[in-house]
Amino acid sequence: LAKTTQPISMDSYEGQEVNITCSHNNIATNDYITWYQQFPSQGPRFIIQGYKTKVTNEVASLFIPADRKSSTLSLPRVSLSDTAVYYCLVGGSNQAGTALIFGKGTTLSVSS
Amino acid sequence: DSGVTQTPKHLITATGQRVTLRCSPRSGDLSVYWYQQSLDQGLQFLIHYYNGEERAKGNILERFSAQQFPDLHSELNLSSLELGDSALYFCASSVHFGDARTNYGYTFGSGTRLTVV
Repeated sequence: LAKTTQPISMDSYEGQEVNITCSHNNIATNDYITWYQQFPSQGPRFIIQGYKTKVTNEVASLFIPADRKSSTLSLPRVSLSDTAVYYCLVGGSNQAGTALIFGKGTTLSVSS
Repeated sequence: DSGVTQTPKHLITATGQRVTLRCSPRSGDLSVYWYQQSLDQGLQFLIHYYNGEERAKGNILERFSAQQFPDLHSELNLSSLELGDSALYFCASSVHFGDARTNYGYTFGSGTRLTVV
C-alpha cells in the first residue's frame, strides 16, 4: 500500500483558503486518492476522492498532478467548524484483502 | 446519520472482562471494517470482512476476534481486556473492495468508546 506524508498541523484564520498537500510517491496505477475529515470523538467523514487532474464538490477541491505522486486538498474560505484532522489515503485498488490505512493526518486549527 | 450503526456508544468494563461491539453497515454495503483509535496510536486498522468472509487482518490482537453474519452486521469481540484496550472503536462499511473505480470511500459509524478500569 502506498505510504502518504502530510504535514502534522496547520493553522489558519476564518475566511482563508487552506491547502493541505499530501505526498504519495509509490502510488499504484489502480489506486485512488481519498481525503477524510475527523472531528474529536467522531468517525472520519469522506470528503473527496480523485484519480487524476481536478475534482470539486460542494465541500472541497482536490488537485492531482499528472504524475499522481502528490495531491492537494483545498478548502475554500474555512470557518471555525473546519477545525479537524484531515487524512489523506491512497488505496482501494482491486486487490483482495486491502483496506484503507490511516496515517497521523493533518490537524487543522482555524481561528477567528 | 451516516447509515452505519454502532452499539453501544459507551462501554465501561473491568480488566479481564469480555465485551462485544456491534456494527450494522449501511444498507447495501457488503464490506465491514473495524478500526481502533487511541490517543497515542491514531486510527489502527483491525480487520475487514466482505459478505461474511474475513478478507484482511491488520493490527488485531489474538484476544480480539470478529465475525460478519448473514444479515451483514458484524461483531467485534474483545476478551481478557486490559487498560490499554481503552479506545474508540469504529466500524466502517463500503459497497465492496473490489473495484477502485467504484469505491467511493468508506462510511464510518460514530464509534463505541470503550473504557477499561
